[in-house]
Amino acid sequence: EVHLVESGGVVVQSGGSLRLSCAASGFTFNDYTMHWVRQLPGKGLEWVSLISWDVDTTHYADSVKGRFTVSRDNSKNFLYLQMDSLAAEDTAVYYCARDRLPQVRGGAVFHSWGQGTLVTVSS
Amino acid sequence: DIQMTQSPSTLSASVGDRITITCRASQTINNWLAWYQQKPGTAPKFLIFKASSLESGVPSRFSGSVSGTEFTLTISSLQPDDFATYYCQQYHSYPLTFGGGTKVEIK
Repeated sequence: EVHLVESGGVVVQSGGSLRLSCAASGFTFNDYTMHWVRQLPGKGLEWVSLISWDVDTTHYADSVKGRFTVSRDNSKNFLYLQMDSLAAEDTAVYYCARDRLPQVRGGAVFHSWGQGTLVTVSS
Repeated sequence: DIQMTQSPSTLSASVGDRITITCRASQTINNWLAWYQQKPGTAPKFLIFKASSLESGVPSRFSGSVSGTEFTLTISSLQPDDFATYYCQQYHSYPLTFGGGTKVEIK
């Protein structure tokens, strides 16, 4: 069974930095593109970033480009999101999610999700 | 960016009702559309991919269809477990984008 567990969400001051982690188990981690998706309080879903299974490809939402960096450690089955220059509008629950199919480039659906970790940016 | 417009934003219905939720894409997405269900305090659950393909384990009362750039999620007979918020998502191109969500509540 796919299991994704996010951690690292805390209260941080505006302009600060934070690194989120996602521990993956129950599947061959290095075969799947992984994503970060966030949900602002009481609002809808926003895709944030992806990293391909082979670390060859990354994509970001315009709202985080240049401030957030996605990475992964396939030897440890971990996904990361380095978040810099945080602003109040980054306050959200951050989910990591796994793609549906292995080793597929382009396009993505979010097949399996973690429980989320709350990031609060205070001004 | 491709905009996904969902309607209605809220839908009141009773157990046993047939309901439909609509999602319109701002440009052609070649059926690269997924649907998710989310209950309060929990992560979204993946339901449908490629506009009409049901994910394994999802009840057959859920179905998806498409006409041009208008996509529809139908629940044929609403069950108590189905009261939730539903989101569509396009995966034709980056950035991946979601609709604003449809909350299905008890009438």
